[in-house]
Amino acid sequence: GNSVTQMEGPVTLSEEAFLTINCTYTATGYPSLFWYVQYPGEGLQLLLKATKADDKGSNKGFEATYRKETTSFHLEKGSVQVSDSAVYFCALSAISGGYNKLIFGAGTRLAVHP
Amino acid sequence: EADIYQTPRYLVIGTGKKITLECSQTMGHDKMYWYQQDPGMELHLIHYSYGVNSTEKGDLSSESTVSRIRTEHFPLTLESARPSHTSQYLCASSEYQAGRQETQYFGPGTRLLVL
Repeated sequence: GNSVTQMEGPVTLSEEAFLTINCTYTATGYPSLFWYVQYPGEGLQLLLKATKADDKGSNKGFEATYRKETTSFHLEKGSVQVSDSAVYFCALSAISGGYNKLIFGAGTRLAVHP
Repeated sequence: EADIYQTPRYLVIGTGKKITLECSQTMGHDKMYWYQQDPGMELHLIHYSYGVNSTEKGDLSSESTVSRIRTEHFPLTLESARPSHTSQYLCASSEYQAGRQETQYFGPGTRLLVL
């Protein structure tokens, strides 16, 4: 079946540190891959996406590359800020039971300290 | 930028009350979804809709019901709220794209506390 596994948190970093949040997936067919971010007390915001192998999604300094050979979509940022503190969800979109289904990882909480 | 709205943002209510959580989107999307998010952050799909007059149960069984009378509106109703319904409820929508994966856009959520 389809599933998403992402690294457990919390991840605690100092401002300007390098960030990696690992995400691997299992899927049949050719899913699209997403990173969503949830700030405290808010809903989910689409951070970036990639629709096919070797695509790189990027937004607000965050990047992730769709790696089919390693079934991964790791999120990276070169220099994090306190304002990046949030929960990050990796997700894949797949057709299941006739409808377009979004399958989420468990979420990774990131805390950035000054 | 997605235009999807949820009201109320926060709701504290007593056991046995009937409540309706509102969700509206102005993007003309055909598909809409309701997710329940537990305190451990995990998201569970509880309802979805392909379009007007279409409603389906999601992966997680829920005592709530939904309706889709207008494209832009997808309210969720609990006939008799219980403490076990305490959670955050997230609404989302996507545009139908034949044969292609779709991107879901989320509202800000409603945080429900049932006493």
